[in-house]
Amino acid sequence: GNSVTQMEGPVTLSEEAFLTINCTYTATGYPSLFWYVQYPGEGLQLLLKATKADDKGSNKGFEATYRKETTSFHLEKGSVQVSDSAVYFCALSNPVGFGNEKLTFGTGTRLTIIP
Amino acid sequence: GAVVSQHPSRVICKSGTSVKIECRSLDFQATTMFWYRQFPKKSLMLMATSNEGSKATYEQGVEKDKFLINHASLTLSTLTVTSAHPEDSSFYICSARPRARLAGAGLSYNEQFFGPGTRLTVL
Repeated sequence: GNSVTQMEGPVTLSEEAFLTINCTYTATGYPSLFWYVQYPGEGLQLLLKATKADDKGSNKGFEATYRKETTSFHLEKGSVQVSDSAVYFCALSNPVGFGNEKLTFGTGTRLTIIP
Repeated sequence: GAVVSQHPSRVICKSGTSVKIECRSLDFQATTMFWYRQFPKKSLMLMATSNEGSKATYEQGVEKDKFLINHASLTLSTLTVTSAHPEDSSFYICSARPRARLAGAGLSYNEQFFGPGTRLTVL
């Protein structure tokens, strides 16, 4: 079955540091890949996504590239801010059109940025 | 747009009682809603998929008689934890997927929009 392995946290960085949160996956076929973010007291929000190999998803300065050869979708940001402090979830789903696109999540990585 | 609410946000109950959690899509209609459970330091685990007007589809290992799901309208799904026990204590999260025809309104019909979660504690 599908599974997502995500870098365990917590991760603490200073403001303006470079961020990488690793994510690898196991799936049959060609899943869609996602990063969700959960700010304190809020629901999960879609941060970015990629639907096929070599696609790069980007949003709010975050990027992740769908690497089929390494089955990875690592999240990166060049210069983090205090407002980026949150829990980040890597996830995958079956491709569009396969029906019942259930999401499979990683364990989440808590990120804290200190000024 | 695309706001999903959950009520209550926190609930504490005695063992043996039943608890109902509501999930509402506030500004869109959702043909499909999903219920997840999150354990401490664990990933979100899908419990069931709920389609409006039909029976929910439960994931393997989830007791459908214990976790009753009703999706009576396009904006509301409920999860009832029956005869709750301390091991049912957890964080329950719902998500909703918009109807396909709303894609033109700027919503992706493949995207799930999540509620803020409900913390259930069973004493």
